[in-house]
Amino acid sequence: DGGITQSPKYLFRKEGQNVTLSCEQNLNHDAMYWYRQDPGQGLRLIYYSQIVNDFQKGDIAEGYSVSREKKESFPLTVTSAQKNPTAFYLCASSYGIGFDTQYFGPGTRLTVL
Amino acid sequence: EDKVVQSPLSLVVHEGDTVTLNCSYEVTNFRSLLWYKQEKKAPTFLFMLTSSGIEKKSGRLSSILDKKELSSILNITATQTGDSAIYLCAKAGSGNTGKLIFGQGTTLQVKP
Repeated sequence: DGGITQSPKYLFRKEGQNVTLSCEQNLNHDAMYWYRQDPGQGLRLIYYSQIVNDFQKGDIAEGYSVSREKKESFPLTVTSAQKNPTAFYLCASSYGIGFDTQYFGPGTRLTVL
Repeated sequence: EDKVVQSPLSLVVHEGDTVTLNCSYEVTNFRSLLWYKQEKKAPTFLFMLTSSGIEKKSGRLSSILDKKELSSILNITATQTGDSAIYLCAKAGSGNTGKLIFGQGTTLQVKP
């Protein structure tokens, strides 16, 4: 079955720790995206990547980092510099440039203790 | 600032009712408008509307793009409890960045 997987489903972090959220897709999509969802604010773009070894900042990139070493993988690291990291994180992918429809993974809920 | 605004933010109806959800956007760099349904976790794709395809329908759900008013509506007829979800509207801009700009979402609750 093709799709997007995210792990872990739930993640708890102590203040001052970096954590990495996994996102994998087997849809052969070129583009991948990370969003943050907070209650009442919809989805906000953190980072996106249109091809391997290239990525761009989204609207709220501060305190986050990404890498895109493989086409199917786009991990997100939430660093200690992110002041309010508790949120629901969604990864998405699309065929790439010119294809607007994005397909989403099941999400990771991050809670800072 | 490029914005997408949805209304209402929340809505409670009873089974069998018809609902209309609204989405307005700015015209800057418009290429398409997308609707998603989010029940618990992953948003699932419903419709994409473009200047050349302004009306879509699937079962009890339908959506129309009004280019003049810079808005779109999502209609759900004969609502069921399974329609309870957050409905997200997103705009894709031209320029081939692939970025989507999302509205705040409308939370729909359908009571038995």
